[in-house]
Amino acid sequence: DTGVSQDPRHKITKRGQNVTFRCDPISEHNRLYWYRQTLGQGPEFLTYFQNEAQLEKSRLLSDRFSAERPKGSFSTLEIQRTEQGDSAMYLCASSLTSDNEQFFGPGTRLTVL
Amino acid sequence: AQTVTQSQPEMSVQEAETVTLSCTYDTSESNYYLFWYKQPPSRQMILVIRQEAYKQQNATENRFSVNFQKAAKSFSLKISDSQLGDTAMYFCALNNYQLIWGAGTKLIIKP
Repeated sequence: DTGVSQDPRHKITKRGQNVTFRCDPISEHNRLYWYRQTLGQGPEFLTYFQNEAQLEKSRLLSDRFSAERPKGSFSTLEIQRTEQGDSAMYLCASSLTSDNEQFFGPGTRLTVL
Repeated sequence: AQTVTQSQPEMSVQEAETVTLSCTYDTSESNYYLFWYKQPPSRQMILVIRQEAYKQQNATENRFSVNFQKAAKSFSLKISDSQLGDTAMYFCALNNYQLIWGAGTKLIIKP
């Protein structure tokens, strides 16, 4: 394992459906982050974990979004009742500590029709 | 509130030229980290260079260097001898347990 992986890479869904994304961080990294990025913009912070604890969640994040990291390893991000405005690239990143470089995965591109 | 501002939405230069990307930020923290990330078209985000705020010496990584002016809260990226592979979006980011991102600068290197 040499990097952060995300699955799926692309997801097309209909409005109102639920979707779940998975992120596998670099194995020794304690911190895991989720970001959302729309075209031509910088990433927007969604939430982050230290081990299995979710330490911060963006105020911008609606209740339809939930994330877990049950054993402090991989993480899932679920979006319930998707809306067209949820269409974006969802990025996962991991780091050893809060001061270290964050390593990014390739992202999951979500399209809500 | 912490903010990061990149005032150049797009820049283009000829191959082999030197280009400087601007970034200003605002934070009340005394110790923090600054990063430049690169995102090539349809490819993932990768770190270009990082700077610890407590270090006065500007960071360098091969053709990439920064001009860090802590008092002015400025953190510009200089790319020397630019190459076609440098074409990408460049994001400046401030680290405070989460990364605070600028809007990015689209850099195009022309042959």
